[in-house]
Amino acid sequence: DGGITQSPKYLFRKEGQNVTLSCEQNLNHDAMYWYRQDPGQGLRLIYYSQIVNDFQKGDIAEGYSVSREKKESFPLTVTSAQKNPTAFYLCASSQNAAETQYFGPGTRLLVL
Amino acid sequence: KQEVTQIPAALSVPEGENLVLNCSFTDSAIYNLQWFRQDPGKGLTSLLLIQSSQREQTSGRLNASLDKSSGRSTLYIAASQPGDSATYLCAVANSGGYQKVTFGTGTKLQVIP
Repeated sequence: DGGITQSPKYLFRKEGQNVTLSCEQNLNHDAMYWYRQDPGQGLRLIYYSQIVNDFQKGDIAEGYSVSREKKESFPLTVTSAQKNPTAFYLCASSQNAAETQYFGPGTRLLVL
Repeated sequence: KQEVTQIPAALSVPEGENLVLNCSFTDSAIYNLQWFRQDPGKGLTSLLLIQSSQREQTSGRLNASLDKSSGRSTLYIAASQPGDSATYLCAVANSGGYQKVTFGTGTKLQVIP
């Protein structure tokens, strides 16, 4: 089956801890994205990558970091600098920046 | 800066009704507009994509229209079913080197059996 997978489904973060959210796609897409979704707000772009070894900050990149070492993988690290990390995180990919984005099932991050 | 608004925020209709969801955007220099469906606690599923040169797209009971000049799109759902209950999101991609996508906050639809 082709698609996008995210893991874990739920993630708990302790104070001062860095945590990494996984996103993998087997659609052979060049572009990948990370969004954050909060109740009552639209999706907000954290980071995007249009090609391997290249990524750009989105609207709310502070406190987050990413890497794109492989075409199929785009992990997101929520650092201790992100003071309000509780949210639903969605990863997406597309053939290129102009085409339909396909979304993963999401990871819900909670703070202990 | 592009702003995308969806009204109403929530809608409840009896099964079988035809309904219209609205999406408005402030910057008409768009590349495309897309409608998504999101079930509770899940990711987004693409429903329809309308390119800026198109006026409408249809898929089954769904029809989406686009009026760039007025900054509006509508999603028409015919003969609604309880399985249509979900949140519907509108997303606008702006023209430019990178087609930045701006999402609306969604309309939560409940279809009552």
